[in-house]
Amino acid sequence: GENVEQHPSTLSVQEGDSAVIKCTYSDSASNYFPWYKQELGKRPQLIIDIRSNVGEKKDQRIAVTLNKTAKHFSLHITETQPEDSAVYFCAATDNNNDMRFGAGTRLTVKP
Amino acid sequence: ETGVTQSPTHLIKTRGQQVTLRCSSQSGHNTVSWYQQALGQGPQFIFQYYREEENGRGNFPPRFSGLQFPNYSSELNVNALELDDSALYLCASSLDYGELFFGEGSRLTVL
Repeated sequence: GENVEQHPSTLSVQEGDSAVIKCTYSDSASNYFPWYKQELGKRPQLIIDIRSNVGEKKDQRIAVTLNKTAKHFSLHITETQPEDSAVYFCAATDNNNDMRFGAGTRLTVKP
Repeated sequence: ETGVTQSPTHLIKTRGQQVTLRCSSQSGHNTVSWYQQALGQGPQFIFQYYREEENGRGNFPPRFSGLQFPNYSSELNVNALELDDSALYLCASSLDYGELFFGEGSRLTVL
């Protein structure tokens, strides 16, 4: 089955700096890669996703890149703000069935 | 449109007991997935129901079982509770295999 690894497990940046979180996956059949943000005590919420027919997708300060050959994808947050502080999870699936999540990255943005 | 709601929000059980967790899907959604999230970990896929049929299962023993009703609400049942079952149980609904919308979760403590 699919195995998703995520790093770093913790990331601390200064407000205004960029943050990058990286994930690798094992199953070449995976074709959908969402990223979720989970604030303390809250539900995971989708912030951006990418499908395997696209190499990059951007939504304002958030972007995701996908390298299918190397089986890795990354989340990029630019101009970070304190409200970006949360735990971020990457995930991978081939049809949204049996979605596998990474272990999470705790991002802290220091004002 | 109502979001995904789960009940109860918190509960405490003892080893060997049984528990039922409930989930109401977001309006219009026909697919429900259940995840177990241990403290500091990413969500782990338990199983998914699509139009009342189990449509995929993660690496969880048979004492984890589920049900989806005609109105697409769902239950997760866990028998013979073990200490390691203590976790946040998340329900997520979607339309077919689209974006997952998570509930706030049910936090189960097994003593």
